[in-house]
Amino acid sequence: AQSVSQHNHHVILSEAASLELGCNYSYGGTVNLFWYVQYPGQHLQLLLKYFSGDPLVKGIKGFEAEFIKSKFSFNLRKPSVQWSDTAEYFCAVMPSGGYNKLIFGAGTRLAVHP
Amino acid sequence: EAQVTQNPRYLITVTGKKLTVTCSQNMNHEYMSWYRQDPGLGLRQIYYSMNVEVTDKGDVPEGYKVSRKEKRNFPLILESPSPNQTSLYFCASSFPPGQGVGIGNEQFFGPGTRLTVL
Repeated sequence: AQSVSQHNHHVILSEAASLELGCNYSYGGTVNLFWYVQYPGQHLQLLLKYFSGDPLVKGIKGFEAEFIKSKFSFNLRKPSVQWSDTAEYFCAVMPSGGYNKLIFGAGTRLAVHP
Repeated sequence: EAQVTQNPRYLITVTGKKLTVTCSQNMNHEYMSWYRQDPGLGLRQIYYSMNVEVTDKGDVPEGYKVSRKEKRNFPLILESPSPNQTSLYFCASSFPPGQGVGIGNEQFFGPGTRLTVL
């Protein structure tokens, strides 16, 4: 069955620390990949997406992610986090050729302390 | 403003009392989906719709119904809610694969409906 694994359920960082959130998926075919962010009390917002081309994609708010096909991974990174990055982050996979179904990971709660 | 709206945003009800959560989008999207979000499980798809009068089950459809009579609306119906349906529900919409103005298959999410079934 298709699945998405996020390595860390909770991450606590101090401001200015670097961030890397792991995401691995299990699906043998072509996929589209997404990272969504959910700020407290708000709906999901798209951080970045990968469909094809350069495997290093840049998103909003200084986030980037790298697609490594051989590792089935799509890790999210940010060089220097801010308190305002406190949120829950979801990795999602959309197998191509389907009907736009998103398969989500369980999410990673990030808390950034001033 | 392009958006997905849901109503109500918060709802407390009792077991067995039928309810409907509405979802509407103004982006002329063909695809619409319902997800539920539970702690430690992420979001799981309940139902989806590829177009008017075309719906199908997602991963967790038990206890839910949907309808798609108009392109912009995709209500979620709980005929006889139970406490295990207490959750945060999100509606989403998107263009089909290969369409849209350079946005690919990005799904746009509504603000969520927090449902508590007592």
